[in-house]
Amino acid sequence: GAVVSQHPSWVICKSGTSVKIECRSLDFQATTMFWYRQFPKQSLMLMATSNEGSKATYEQGVEKDKFLINHASLTLSTLTVTSAHPEDSSFYICSARVQGSEQYFGPGTRLTVT
Amino acid sequence: KQEVTQIPAALSVPEGENLVLNCSFTDSAIYNLQWFRQDPGKGLTSLLLIQSSQREQTSGRLNASLDKSSGRSTLYIAASQPGDSATYLCAVGRYSGAGSYQLTFGKGTKLSVIP
Repeated sequence: GAVVSQHPSWVICKSGTSVKIECRSLDFQATTMFWYRQFPKQSLMLMATSNEGSKATYEQGVEKDKFLINHASLTLSTLTVTSAHPEDSSFYICSARVQGSEQYFGPGTRLTVT
Repeated sequence: KQEVTQIPAALSVPEGENLVLNCSFTDSAIYNLQWFRQDPGKGLTSLLLIQSSQREQTSGRLNASLDKSSGRSTLYIAASQPGDSATYLCAVGRYSGAGSYQLTFGKGTKLSVIP
C-alpha cells in the first residue's frame, strides 16, 4: 500500500530557532501534499496544500512567512517552522495524494518549543 | 464553509458490544467521506472510504454508511474489542471552486472498549 513517512517523529527546539520537517511518499509519486496541525484534543486543521513545483496555498490564518513549505519533488515536501515559539508546539501531520485517489497520511511529528 | 460534527465525543463500551459512531456535515456537495482511526500520539490509519455515489462500505467488522442528502454518515463496529480503543475521525473530501481537493475533519470520537 501507499506509505508516507515523516522525519523527525519528534523534535524539541528552543524558542526563536527554526525546525524543518520532511514528508516523503515512499512508493508513489504525489501530485499534491498537505500539511495539517493538530492541537491536543482537537481535530486536524489544514495548514496548506502544495503541488509539486508550485507555491503552496495556505489556509486563512496560517502565516506563510512563518510556515515555509517546499514541494521540491513528487516524493518530498518540507515544512519549516521559522522563529518557533511555544505556541507553535503541536502535532504536525502531512499527507500525500495522487489525483483522483485518496489521501495517505504520515505518522506525524511532535514539535515542542521550549 | 464545510463543518463536520461527530457525536458522541467519547464513548465507553464493554467488550463484545456493537456500536455506532455518528458524523454529520453541513455541505452535501462532497466528493467522498473517509473514516480514520488515530491512536494516541500517532498518525491516521484509513479505515473506510466512501465515494459520494456510494451508500456504504464494509471492511471486516466495520461498516460505514453515507446519506449525502441528509449530510450524515455512520460507522458501525461489530463485536467490539479492546484493540478497537482509539479516536475515530470522520473527514469529508470535496473540491473547492478553484479545483483543489480538501479534507475537512471532525473532532473525533474517543472510543474505549472495556475488557
